[in-house]
Amino acid sequence: GQQLNQSPQSMFIQEGEDVSMNCTSSSIFNTWLWYKQDPGEGPVLLIALYKAGELTSNGRLTAQFGITRKDSFLNISASIPSDVGIYFCAGQLDAGGTSYGKLTFGQGTILTVHP
Amino acid sequence: KAGVTQTPRYLIKTRGQQVTLSCSPISGHRSVSWYQQTPGQGLQFLFEYFSETQRNKGNFPGRFSGRQFSNSRSEMNVSTLELGDSALYLCASSWGPTLGGQPQHFGDGTRLSIL
Repeated sequence: GQQLNQSPQSMFIQEGEDVSMNCTSSSIFNTWLWYKQDPGEGPVLLIALYKAGELTSNGRLTAQFGITRKDSFLNISASIPSDVGIYFCAGQLDAGGTSYGKLTFGQGTILTVHP
Repeated sequence: KAGVTQTPRYLIKTRGQQVTLSCSPISGHRSVSWYQQTPGQGLQFLFEYFSETQRNKGNFPGRFSGRQFSNSRSEMNVSTLELGDSALYLCASSWGPTLGGQPQHFGDGTRLSIL
């Protein structure tokens, strides 16, 4: 099925470093979402983007909706140990009935932060 | 505000059995989506319900079914369980009436293991 290409697959960084990850698609999305998932828990929404070119921040997190509507990135500044987890991008198409409630997810970026 | 609640958290079944999972959405949310998460396939969309009607369905066999009640609570059922059905099943809710513009919020999932 349709997939989002998320990169990198994993990152090992030192505490205090900045992190950047991105997602690309061959299809146009009208919504981009970024989630974080910790072991044994469900994904938690970090940032939601609804307009091409939109840049949104949530504390140390910043995400942008690409102007082509086919990509998005997430930046984390000054990483801390609790940033450890799996980050997922998700997009929703604007294709009528086949889009209701359906998010397409990237493969995830596993983030490890060394103190 | 209570989040999305999924029960049970863990379930062990054997091949050939059937199982029913439950999801209570965030109060006021009328759309419920279900996803299957596995290490190999990632997060895959199963189906979405709004106002007791299935509006969208992913590419899963007919053994996977669901329903939604008038209070927006939802259940999903898997019949004739196979080993490959072992996964984390996630439920997500959103406000729902329109396409896009509303983020989905996830529960912590039901971990289903098939022996």
